[in-house]
Amino acid sequence: DVQLQESGPGLVKPSQTVSLTCTVTGISITTGNYRWSWIRQFPGNKLEWIGYIYYSGTITYNPSLTSRTTITRDTSKNQFFLEMNSLTAEDTATYYCAREDYGNFMDYWGQGTSVTVSS
Amino acid sequence: EIVLTQSPTTMAASPGEKITITCSASSSISSNYLHWYQQKPGFSPKLLIYRTSNLASGVPARFSGSGSGTSYSLTIGTMEAEDVATYYCQQGSSIPRTFGGGTKLEIK
Repeated sequence: DVQLQESGPGLVKPSQTVSLTCTVTGISITTGNYRWSWIRQFPGNKLEWIGYIYYSGTITYNPSLTSRTTITRDTSKNQFFLEMNSLTAEDTATYYCAREDYGNFMDYWGQGTSVTVSS
Repeated sequence: EIVLTQSPTTMAASPGEKITITCSASSSISSNYLHWYQQKPGFSPKLLIYRTSNLASGVPARFSGSGSGTSYSLTIGTMEAEDVATYYCQQGSSIPRTFGGGTKLEIK
């Protein structure tokens, strides 16, 4: 069964960079036609799509976040990563990784990792 | 960016009641790219309906979806206590992917 698991530091200081990892089991992230996505949910429950890395390695970002977001992967570990810099309190959220099917819907989600930006 | 507006934002229904949630898009979307998720408190969102009207694996038949263009809806034929959750629509038609603001469904 496909499973995704996020991990991260939990608490980050303003202006710093957060690095999150998504570990995928049950399928290779290089399997065709899937996109490996990052999505965040703010307090109050609004969902925001951050971006994804395609099975081929192509990356697409939300234009509103592209200047301070980097998505990468390690195929040998079947992991993909999110780096976001210049954090402010407005980046406090639960960060999810998810698999996007070729029908452009997210069919598997991780359990989420909370990121709090505070000094 | 395609903005998705859901209504109502919150609602309460009695067991057995039929409920409908709507999702309005700021631009026309192919019905192949409008999807619904269910999120129960403390859990991650779960795919509920994909491509407007297709039930995800394990989803009870009391759930259904319909729509086209800029207007879509999610219906629960008979409300059950386990349906208490927040429901989100999502469009996969264009970048960035966007979600509706959510409809919180409670039980009376």
